[in-house]
Amino acid sequence: GAVVSQHPSRVICKSGTSVKIECRSLDFQATTMFWYRQFPKQSLMLMATSNEGSKATYEQGVEKDKFLINHASLTLSTLTVTSAHPEDSSFYICSARTPGQGDNQPQHFGDGTRLSIL
Amino acid sequence: GNSVTQMEGPVTLSEEAFLTINCTYTATGYPSLFWYVQYPGEGLQLLLKATKADDKGSNKGFEATYRKETTSFHLEKGSVQVSDSAVYFCALKGSARQLTFGSGTQLTVLP
Repeated sequence: GAVVSQHPSRVICKSGTSVKIECRSLDFQATTMFWYRQFPKQSLMLMATSNEGSKATYEQGVEKDKFLINHASLTLSTLTVTSAHPEDSSFYICSARTPGQGDNQPQHFGDGTRLSIL
Repeated sequence: GNSVTQMEGPVTLSEEAFLTINCTYTATGYPSLFWYVQYPGEGLQLLLKATKADDKGSNKGFEATYRKETTSFHLEKGSVQVSDSAVYFCALKGSARQLTFGSGTQLTVLP
């Protein structure tokens, strides 16, 4: 149980293109999803916390107009990288928190999306 | 703020060797501590966790003990296998209830 599906797994596109990444919780409803970015040989950095039905909370230094997050349903959050440039190339990972009391529920991670901007 | 310092890799071991990956943390209060594993081309999977001092998390032969006095949560396995080759991340969840990750340690186990 608690499977998170992320799509696409890999995308290569030209500079200036907008790219949408989907994160779905397949067998549970996730009121909270998280988006991370992983640089080569570095750790995961939390970009934003996405709450169903409300605006995402972005971490300091993350451009919210650049990285649009939508969490329109309890099973789907999307991250759109707008007008992507080569410096946006990275590995993006989402996670979803299983429902329950408080914030101590475990997070389940998607398999990540490798974004390459040419 | 919270931070996690993890042993730098890469680490290369022969099959059946003993593994230790060091992890220390800085946090206020009493964080929960985690080890996640990332196999090639995949996302993160929770390997084990400990929620209070002196707790020992264990899974698949891996162990880590929450040591508050040394602010450490070192990962150990007595006999590694080729299938253990992956990137291992130490992480903590503090009072803000957000995960903070270490930089990851690449482990390669040779047959």
